[in-house]
Amino acid sequence: QKEVEQDPGPLSVPEGAIVSLNCTYSNSAFQYFMWYRQYSRKGPELLMYTYSSGNKEDGRFTAQVDKSSKYISLFIRDSQPSDSATYLCAMWGGSNYKLTFGKGTLLTVNP
Amino acid sequence: DVKVTQSSRYLVKRTGEKVFLECVQDMDHENMFWYRQDPGLGLRLIYFSYDVKMKEKGDIPEGYSVSREKKERFSLILESASTNQTSMYLCASSFPGSNTGELFFGEGSRLTVL
Repeated sequence: QKEVEQDPGPLSVPEGAIVSLNCTYSNSAFQYFMWYRQYSRKGPELLMYTYSSGNKEDGRFTAQVDKSSKYISLFIRDSQPSDSATYLCAMWGGSNYKLTFGKGTLLTVNP
Repeated sequence: DVKVTQSSRYLVKRTGEKVFLECVQDMDHENMFWYRQDPGLGLRLIYFSYDVKMKEKGDIPEGYSVSREKKERFSLILESASTNQTSMYLCASSFPGSNTGELFFGEGSRLTVL
């Protein structure tokens, strides 16, 4: 079983839709959970992070972590064409230098 | 603003050539990383460095080496480029005191080996 599993999509939605992106993981040592956004031909940039279980909201974006199920989600409300990008989940145990990334989900929001 | 700069955005090299990919960060970060990104395989860590002249192998170091002579600069070297090293290469840095492990990425260097 891979450490982090993420559905690669592609996912195509109409503008204004609610988008749900998900990752599952197997390593119970992970404590920090991140979502990176990567636009085409650019490097990834941190969108949100959450420590341990719970929810975190930032504008139209909500990150959820359920450590009991080893499942994390990113919700995008009122999606916009500018949200079209690849979204990568990433996780960190806090004790070494390495993040573990999912493979990314390609999202297209159609006007 | 945080800045990680990769000197070459697009390179085309021939099999057997020696290739240097340069990365500079202006944030005084101790940690620097080289990843490659391929469709269907995601981001894979090649090498990382947590201090000047220090380096650690990542998950796929074969065929690569690195150099960190100065804190702000981390170079990836392909001693003899092969076609299977055609990829997008991403440099990143982080601050070891960060409580999130956040990585700051450059814009990437797309290498094609013919």
